[in-house]
Amino acid sequence: NSKVIQTPRYLVKGQGQKAKMRCIPEKGHPVVFWYQQNKNNEFKFLINFQNQEVLQQIDMTEKRFSAECPSNSPCSLEIQSSEAGDSALYLCASSRTQNTGQLYFGEGSKLTVL
Amino acid sequence: AQSVTQPDARVTVSEGASLQLRCKYSYSGTPYLFWYVQYPRQGLQLLLKYYSGDPVVQGVNGFEAEFSKSNSSFHLRKASVHWSDSAVYFCALFSGGNYKPTFGKGTSLVVHP
Repeated sequence: NSKVIQTPRYLVKGQGQKAKMRCIPEKGHPVVFWYQQNKNNEFKFLINFQNQEVLQQIDMTEKRFSAECPSNSPCSLEIQSSEAGDSALYLCASSRTQNTGQLYFGEGSKLTVL
Repeated sequence: AQSVTQPDARVTVSEGASLQLRCKYSYSGTPYLFWYVQYPRQGLQLLLKYYSGDPVVQGVNGFEAEFSKSNSSFHLRKASVHWSDSAVYFCALFSGGNYKPTFGKGTSLVVHP
């Protein structure tokens, strides 16, 4: 069972609507990743954090996507204006350090944009 | 650039048969390599990992994988599959300096009873 908690499990939005997903990383894991998994099982890295600081992010994230990991609060990923192509499973994962590569995944938030 | 290729999108086997799922990687150094499994409506769970040393690594539920630097491969094996092994399996590569693991496109395993 996942110790990384993602909410909500499912969300349905209309085009142009805002979509927000939350993630509580495993205790003691300061590194958090967001990946987008499409219906073809392809993973796209979106952004990662160490504590509250962004380590890396893709260009797409800088436009309609925003994410944060505030201290003492869940991390979040928000899509400001959803598009049909954003329909996917959004996976949050955490890790003890930047250097092991081993990720602990949540069960994901499945976004459907109508 | 680094990449992971899983050449088989879908593999079908009978229960009790042996299994090999293929993973090829592209990276100039020696990467850290992982196999994860994803059951329906669940996140990914780690099966096994390779960092260094013995090229054959053991994982959970009877899975093992063999690292080959000469072939740039990290194939997953199981001697006898069970119907509950039906899932999607992902190979992943981590190169340290890049900080973010790269995933293959997955292999969907279907085990017939």
